[in-house]
Amino acid sequence: DIQMTQSPSSLSASVGDRVTITCQASQDISNYLNWYQQKPGKAPKLLIYDASNLETGVPSRFSGSGSGTDFTFTISSLQPEDIATYYCQQYDNLALTFGGGTKVEIK
Amino acid sequence: QVQLVQSGAEVKKPGASVKVSCKASGYTFTSYDINWVRQATGQGLEWMGWMNPNSGNTGYAQKFQGRVTMTRNTSISTAYMELSSLRSEDTAVYYCARVRDYRGIWFDPWGQGTLVTVSS
Repeated sequence: DIQMTQSPSSLSASVGDRVTITCQASQDISNYLNWYQQKPGKAPKLLIYDASNLETGVPSRFSGSGSGTDFTFTISSLQPEDIATYYCQQYDNLALTFGGGTKVEIK
Repeated sequence: QVQLVQSGAEVKKPGASVKVSCKASGYTFTSYDINWVRQATGQGLEWMGWMNPNSGNTGYAQKFQGRVTMTRNTSISTAYMELSSLRSEDTAVYYCARVRDYRGIWFDPWGQGTLVTVSS
C-alpha cells in the first residue's frame, strides 16, 4: 500500500496566520490527492480534490498544491472556525490510504 | 439534498458480527460507488473498501479481506457493511461515504457515522 506521511501531526497558530500542512506519498501518485477537514464528533468534509481543486462552497482561504510525491495544503488566514483535524487521502490505486492527520489549534 | 443516513450505535461481544446500514437519498443510488471508512477513538481515518451499488462489485482493503462483506439493497437505496470475528481493536466509528463523481475517488457526502463498541 502507498503510505501517506502527513506533517506536522499538530500545530498551534494565531487567527490570521498562514498555516501549511504537508503530505508525502511513498511513491508517485500524480495528482490523485484529496484533503478533508474533520471537526470533533463530525464526519470528514471534502475541501480539495485532485491536489489543487477547491470543492464548491469551500472558502478560498483554503488551497492545495503539489504532484508526484509531495503535496501542500494551506490556510492563508486562519479563522476560529478552521479548528479541526485535516487529512490527506490518495487514490492512485484502489488501495486508498489517508495521512495520519494534522490537528490545528488556535494559539 | 444528497444524504447518507446510517444505522445506530451497536455493542457487540468479541467474536460476533456487526452489520451497519447506510441509506442514500437525493440521488440515484446505483450511480455512485459507496466506500466505508472507520476511525478508532482519537485515531485517524482507515479505508475499508468500496462497493458499486449497480453491479454489486466490491473491493476490500487487504487488512479486512475475509472479515468484511459489503452488500446493497437497491430497492431501498441502502448499502451495508458487515464485519465479522469482531475484536476489541474494531471498536470505532464506521462511516459510509459516496464517491463524489466519476472523475476520481473523493468522498462527498459522508454518513453521520455509526459507533461500534466491541466489549465482553
